[in-house]
Amino acid sequence: QSALTQPPSASGSPGQSVTISCTGTSSDVGAYNYVSWYQQHPGKAPKVIIYEVSKRPSGVPDRFSGSKSGNTASLTVSGLQAEDEGDYYCSSYAGGIYVIFGGGTKLTVL
Amino acid sequence: EVHLVESGGGLVQRGGSLRLSCGASGFPFSDYTMHWVRQAPGKGLEFVSSIKGNGRITSYGGSVQGRFTISRDNSRNTLYLQMGSLRAEDTAVYYCAGDSRVNYFDYWGQGTLVTVSS
Repeated sequence: QSALTQPPSASGSPGQSVTISCTGTSSDVGAYNYVSWYQQHPGKAPKVIIYEVSKRPSGVPDRFSGSKSGNTASLTVSGLQAEDEGDYYCSSYAGGIYVIFGGGTKLTVL
Repeated sequence: EVHLVESGGGLVQRGGSLRLSCGASGFPFSDYTMHWVRQAPGKGLEFVSSIKGNGRITSYGGSVQGRFTISRDNSRNTLYLQMGSLRAEDTAVYYCAGDSRVNYFDYWGQGTLVTVSS
């Protein structure tokens, strides 16, 4: 299976909102409500910020929100802050215990 | 406190083998599906392999199918990845991750670097 499709970059000014898309197929994103989003800062392990399309783990600010329509999932970061800068990856369950990741989006806070 | 600690990475020649380990503590290891995810230098995350809590169900990414084997020892709270027929493109940081639901990688190790020389 091919990687999920994400834009390579996104940017916004502090306080603004930015949305990152994640496009898969009817066999992964479109088939299951098991899309997750991960934030990764340089030299660090990824951290889950959204799971099951729109749920936030405890401790994740509500500035982060997720949604899905058809084969495309989206992550929205509202009220951008400097510490939001980093790489963001989506992932989708694809049956069995198989998971597929997106190519990643580098978020820059201007 | 949860800890996942990978070990076993290093420099290996093309065509060689390596076994990675991931020691877990601070959570009910046998209840978790465990995953290996890798990240080539400057690249994105790539799913490598998964194993259910009871060790009976496994899955592999297409690029490692037939060359890598995932296993676990719940009595030792340890996850393994036996890697064989290594290629230059297997060079990456390898992370182990714990999954308490479905596609919910809540715990991650710090990663171990595997470098395959050609």
